Amino acid sequence: KAGVTQTPRYLIKTRGQQVTLSCSPISGHRSVSWYQQTPGQGLQFLFEYFSETQRNKGNFPGRFSGRQFSNSRSEMNVSTLELGDSALYLCASSLPSSGSTGELFFGEGSRLTVL
Amino acid sequence: GQQVMQIPQYQHVQEGEDFTTYCNSSTTLSNIQWYKQRPGGHPVFLIQLVKSGEVKKQKRLTFQFGEAKKNSSLHITATQTTDVGTYFCAGDPNTGTASKLTFGTGTRLQVTL
Repeated sequence: KAGVTQTPRYLIKTRGQQVTLSCSPISGHRSVSWYQQTPGQGLQFLFEYFSETQRNKGNFPGRFSGRQFSNSRSEMNVSTLELGDSALYLCASSLPSSGSTGELFFGEGSRLTVL
Repeated sequence: GQQVMQIPQYQHVQEGEDFTTYCNSSTTLSNIQWYKQRPGGHPVFLIQLVKSGEVKKQKRLTFQFGEAKKNSSLHITATQTTDVGTYFCAGDPNTGTASKLTFGTGTRLQVTL
């Protein structure tokens, strides 16, 4: 069974640009969560999608957005990039049950550097 | 909002010594999960604890969930160099609708020979 696939793995952008990251969950997983990981802040929850609907959202500005497609693949977008957006963006898929998150299966991440 | 803190932030041990990391949530949890992230890698699920006072073992790893379901610990007996990494707890409040898994700050473990 293929794991969670994230693309691109590495990217460099400049301030003010926008970026789109993609995540393909494990087959059959309908929940996709996104996390931002930085050395100082640890793993910060961005948002969770389930069946194409955003179920939950973390405390990030509106520049961070996401969506999920009917095949459960998800994308996140960051507009007007700032230096502080440099981070590892992790996507995780899960089989949620009874409203709880369930075990998360993480992808390798997309490492974004903003210059 | 919910906060999950872990202590210590960093621990350096010699191989064979024991190691413990503690996780404390500001709110009562439905369940708690533990993850390990090797240097340069991504978090990998270790275990989930659901019941108050639950204790689970995986070889040299022992996980505990507090009676009040607000704290948890991970204890590693006789550490090995393969234990190197950052250990995260993640609390699930399970409000009954959509849950938001909140990760702890992590404890980085370094093991030397």
